[in-house]
Amino acid sequence: EIVMTQSPATLSVSPGERATLSCRASQSVSSNLAWYQQKPGQAPRLLIYGASTRATGIPARFSGSGSGTEFTLTISSLQSEDFAVYYCQQYNNWPPGRTFGQGTKLEIK
Amino acid sequence: EVQLVESGGGLVKPGGSLRLSCAASGFTFSSYSMNWVRQAPGKGLEWVSSISSSSSYIYYADSVKGRFTISRDNAKNSLYLQMNSLRAEDTAVYYCARDRQWEPVFDYWGQGTLVTVSS
Repeated sequence: EIVMTQSPATLSVSPGERATLSCRASQSVSSNLAWYQQKPGQAPRLLIYGASTRATGIPARFSGSGSGTEFTLTISSLQSEDFAVYYCQQYNNWPPGRTFGQGTKLEIK
Repeated sequence: EVQLVESGGGLVKPGGSLRLSCAASGFTFSSYSMNWVRQAPGKGLEWVSSISSSSSYIYYADSVKGRFTISRDNAKNSLYLQMNSLRAEDTAVYYCARDRQWEPVFDYWGQGTLVTVSS
């Protein structure tokens, strides 16, 4: 099973600043990686797939990069609505495996 | 507008059974693979099961294999999850989620239904 590890567990950033979230795979997943945002009490929302392609309706301040085992989600200028938990998910060995990272909580500094 | 609405959650005793449903609207349901994803209280996301558009391909996480059964009724635009032999560790919010076409990522999610397994 491919294990996804996100860092840091919690990230404190001020509004307007840049946030950089990391996701590492235990083995190469090529570019088969997605990012999701989840706010308290809500379902997750797809942000990025294919490591760097923004999903429909996702603002340009969200960008994804990386391939192989190292991936980054960057939020260029944090808005109040961006404070949430972010999950990465690999789908390289689909079927059947799709595994999520444990999440990074982005909080207001 | 794509909508996914789950129902059927509740409190059940260990060893019991429950059937979850997901009503889909706003898209051609029969053209998309569908999934169940769960989230234990205060924890992360866990993929549970997937079913292809015509039910030809079905997959389960090891943690539920042999106990859960996914199915769909394209005529009723509905997805189901039959859960048997429930354990305390199955306690979670269960989300219905659609696969993006040609890419196994979850592009739309329902609001979730809570399943609590406790005596």
